[in-house]
Amino acid sequence: AQSVTQLDSQVPVFEEAPVELRCNYSSSVSVYLFWYVQYPNQGLQLLLKYLSGSTLVKGINGFEAEFNKSQTSFHLRKPSVHISDTAEYFCAVIDLNSGYSTLTFGKGTMLLVSP
Amino acid sequence: DGGITQSPKYLFRKEGQNVTLSCEQNLNHDAMYWYRQDPGQGLRLIYYSQIVNDFQKGDIAEGYSVSREKKESFPLTVTSAQKNPTAFYLCASSIASGGWEQYFGPGTRLTVT
Repeated sequence: AQSVTQLDSQVPVFEEAPVELRCNYSSSVSVYLFWYVQYPNQGLQLLLKYLSGSTLVKGINGFEAEFNKSQTSFHLRKPSVHISDTAEYFCAVIDLNSGYSTLTFGKGTMLLVSP
Repeated sequence: DGGITQSPKYLFRKEGQNVTLSCEQNLNHDAMYWYRQDPGQGLRLIYYSQIVNDFQKGDIAEGYSVSREKKESFPLTVTSAQKNPTAFYLCASSIASGGWEQYFGPGTRLTVT
């Protein structure tokens, strides 16, 4: 079964600093990859997705992620964070070899941006 | 506006009572999902439905039940058999099952005492 590992449960960072949130998934030939953001007591909102094509994916709010097949990673980056980016971020994967019915989520990374 | 609604936002129940969480979508999506979220655990899939009148168990279906009588609606019942029902419950939908992105509702926080 597919699994997703988000290596950091919390990432503290100062405003305007760059940030990288790490995500690794189980090895698979074909996957779709997603990053979602969750603000407190709200549902999840899609930040970006990788289905095929360019390995560098740009999303909303200035975020981007790079798909690295050899390292089975999909790390999320932002060059300069804002206080409003404080939220929990979830990486998720669909394994196309498993009948690709459902998403598997990581446990989340809480991004804490301070002034 | 199209979207997913979940009601109520907060729900309180006594132990031993069944409770039903509502999920409605007007996105004309075929597939719908229920997740449970606990602190530090990420999202875990309870049930999903790919089409009306059909649904499948997810990873943690024990103590829960669902129905899918209408395309727009996918209610979740938390039964008294669920040992630790207190959690944040999220409903989602997608155009179809598979590689389509999922759209999430705002969630229902259930507290059972």
